[in-house]
Amino acid sequence: NAGVTQTPKFQVLKTGQSMTLQCAQDMNHNSMYWYRQDPGMGLRLIYYSASEGTTDKGEVPNGYNVSRLNKREFSLRLESAAPSQTSVYFCASKQNYGYTFGSGTRLTVV
Amino acid sequence: AQKITQTQPGMFVQEKEAVTLDCTYDTSDQSYGLFWYKQPSSGEMIFLIYQGSYDEQNATEGRYSLNFQKARKSANLVISASQLGDSAMYFCAMREGLRNQFYFGTGTSLTVIP
Repeated sequence: NAGVTQTPKFQVLKTGQSMTLQCAQDMNHNSMYWYRQDPGMGLRLIYYSASEGTTDKGEVPNGYNVSRLNKREFSLRLESAAPSQTSVYFCASKQNYGYTFGSGTRLTVV
Repeated sequence: AQKITQTQPGMFVQEKEAVTLDCTYDTSDQSYGLFWYKQPSSGEMIFLIYQGSYDEQNATEGRYSLNFQKARKSANLVISASQLGDSAMYFCAMREGLRNQFYFGTGTSLTVIP
């Protein structure tokens, strides 16, 4: 089925470890986004990419890096995980006025 | 200032009744878009309805309608004939700006009571 695929669905990291969250979409959308969702905070934009090869910071970019190597894939990297990065992460892609979201990654940093 | 404000952390509604979820927004742009998303307990985000700032008619999608009051900067979601499967978190969002920045509210948890 067409859509946005995120991996992994769950992850536990130790403080200081690094990891990359993967996101791929097969809808030929130009724009892709990474959000984090925390209780009482709604969804907050970490980074976004308006097109292949471009990335921009969102509301909460500190502690994260992203890569948009091709139109399909937009990855989010935590270089040195911190407990404050415990959250649910959503990748999304957009065409016209609608978002399509991935199913989310639940990340716990201990 | 918050771009999107949802003042109802939790709402309850009797099955088959209608319910209104509140959303107010803040923008100085003339062109913007307003959205509602549903997030069930499984966690995925599901697009429900869209309203453009220039649309004169309120958007409707099946049992969902968006009560758009531009002067008051409100975009309330109305769900008619509530069903048990409507129990979920509901997020209001706005797209604005030249770079189409999106902003989400903090969400409203809706529980439908049998």
